[in-house]
Amino acid sequence: AQSVTQLGSHVSVSEGALVLLRCNYSSSVPPYLFWYVQYPNQGLQLLLKYTSAATLVKGINGFEAEFKKSETSFHLTKPSAHMSDAAEYFCAVSLYNFNKFYFGSGTKLNVKP
Amino acid sequence: DAGVTQSPTHLIKTRGQQVTLRCSPKSGHDTVSWYQQALGQGPQFIFQYYEEEERQRGNFPDRFSGHQFPNYSSELNVNALLLGDSALYLCASSLRSRARGANVLTFGAGSRLTVL
Repeated sequence: AQSVTQLGSHVSVSEGALVLLRCNYSSSVPPYLFWYVQYPNQGLQLLLKYTSAATLVKGINGFEAEFKKSETSFHLTKPSAHMSDAAEYFCAVSLYNFNKFYFGSGTKLNVKP
Repeated sequence: DAGVTQSPTHLIKTRGQQVTLRCSPKSGHDTVSWYQQALGQGPQFIFQYYEEEERQRGNFPDRFSGHQFPNYSSELNVNALLLGDSALYLCASSLRSRARGANVLTFGAGSRLTVL
């Protein structure tokens, strides 16, 4: 069975501090991995994706994530948080192309001034 | 270039009623997937449509049904509504390509259904 676990339903950081949002997955085959962001009353927007190329993936708005097969992890980071980063972040896994996505339960990021 | 559009944005129904939600995919996309996002949860896959046929289905009862039209737009129908059906329903479109790489989903803003 495939699943995604996001550790920490709420994360709070100060503006300018490092952002680290954790994601672990379980998969029977090499997965495709994604991070999506959701702002209030909006749909999900793609931040970045891992598709078996480089293990360090750079996305929009300064975010990046590293695929670590040995740890089955795909943690999201950003060196310096901005107030506009406050949102809910979802990690997702897809096993094959055209396939359904499995989402984690989300992490709400709060950025303090 | 319009993204994924969904209607209505909000609606309120009572238990036992039926609801139809609509989705227009992003221009150039041919596949539509529907997800249910309950409050405080991540999206859960309902089903996916391609070439006007249901291709995959998640763990949802037959009360949930759908349709895809020749112009790739889609509808989600839910019959005999339950209180637990209250959620944000997200439509996501994508391009079904045989090329390598992941099938990235583009999401609409969702239809928020409240069942009283």
